[in-house]
Amino acid sequence: SAVISQKPSRDICQRGTSLTIQCQVDSQVTMMFWYRQQPGQSLTLIATANQGSEATYESGFVIDKFPISRPNLTFSTLTVSNMSPEDSSIYLCSAGSSGANVLTFGAGSRLTVL
Amino acid sequence: AQKVTQAQTEISVVEKEDVTLDCVYETRDTTYYLFWYKQPPSGELVFLIRRNSFDEQNEISGRYSWNFQKSTSSFNFTITASQVVDSAVYFCALSTLFGNEKLTFGTGTRLTIIP
Repeated sequence: SAVISQKPSRDICQRGTSLTIQCQVDSQVTMMFWYRQQPGQSLTLIATANQGSEATYESGFVIDKFPISRPNLTFSTLTVSNMSPEDSSIYLCSAGSSGANVLTFGAGSRLTVL
Repeated sequence: AQKVTQAQTEISVVEKEDVTLDCVYETRDTTYYLFWYKQPPSGELVFLIRRNSFDEQNEISGRYSWNFQKSTSSFNFTITASQVVDSAVYFCALSTLFGNEKLTFGTGTRLTIIP
């Protein structure tokens, strides 16, 4: 299965700033997703990162707040814009190949917004 | 809409005891996959098992076993002879086929193994 590297692994941010999280996969994958895990909670899908086109967002998530890029089959970024303390979460990148139906997850990026 | 319910929020057992984590799912799709993931304190998600909706055979892997019952929409996970290293949050998840691997996660069960 693919190996996923995410950075930063953690960061402390100031309210109103933006932070970009990078996700690098060691092999070409069809599907890439971004999840959010709020403290003590389960994982919620933010969006599907589509290669070469706009991401597909889940209900409750919008592009202005969480812009996503995916320039190729191995790399994606998620930006958390205009952060507030409510954005303090772990953000996880996941990837898989179509038909394989097994998602691999990165170690997550733990953001704390003050 | 899909839904995964893990009614047990937290479980504590003494080391070497057996423990079962419950998972109940809802979906209108006739074909789907069920998963279990482990999230140790370090935070990464570790894949444990995938089961498709056409395969109701129980599976055993070492101390881990899974019981899939379509009739009750359940996919329970048992750890036999638990060890301290099993302490983690365990997530059950569901996805549909057709190349779409979006996962719907349950709320997780925090398992603590007491030495």
